[in-house]
Amino acid sequence: QVQLVQSGAEVKKPGASVKVSCKASGYTFTLYGITWVRQAPGQGLEWMGWISTYNGNTDYAQKLQGRVTLTTDTSRSTVYMELSSLRSDDTAVYFCARDMEVSDAWGQGTLVTVSS
Amino acid sequence: EIVMTQSPATLSVSPGDRATLSCTASESININLAWYQQKPGQAPRLLIYRASTRATDIPVRFSGSGSGTDFTLTINSLQSEDFAVYYCQQYNNWPRYTFGQGTKLEIK
Repeated sequence: QVQLVQSGAEVKKPGASVKVSCKASGYTFTLYGITWVRQAPGQGLEWMGWISTYNGNTDYAQKLQGRVTLTTDTSRSTVYMELSSLRSDDTAVYFCARDMEVSDAWGQGTLVTVSS
Repeated sequence: EIVMTQSPATLSVSPGDRATLSCTASESININLAWYQQKPGQAPRLLIYRASTRATDIPVRFSGSGSGTDFTLTINSLQSEDFAVYYCQQYNNWPRYTFGQGTKLEIK
């Protein structure tokens, strides 16, 4: 079955960076892109960016441009999301999702807490 | 950026009744609209795409309608497991999605 498994929770200090992984299984990895969405505590869903697992093309939310980087390792069927210059308002659950216009399979989410 | 607006913010409905949730886009998105259900502590689950097509294994009591700027999610004969938060999402600007702010469906 299709599965996306994300890395575990992280606690970071303001100004640091975090890198979250998303390992896919149960389907042909390069046929679907991966989208990242985050959700601050008690808030809604915010699209962060997308990566083509076929050629590595990316698109990022304007709000996060320059701070977010998505990369893909096809040998490991894994996508990575790195967010730099962390602030307290980056505290959120970060989700990866398989993408073909809509997201039909999601990772379990990774809680990233930014606190001094 | 296309802004998605959902109403109401909270909807109180009794089990067995029908729930009607609305979503409005700030510009036409044709039928490039999806609905997701999210329960506490879980990832969102895709319910509907192309405004009215049910995703795999989604019960027939869930239905979607609309095109252009106005969309509706209808849930008939509400079951206890249906009480959750529902989000609409436009993908007319794929891959640059935008989500509505969510409607919380609660037990009356």
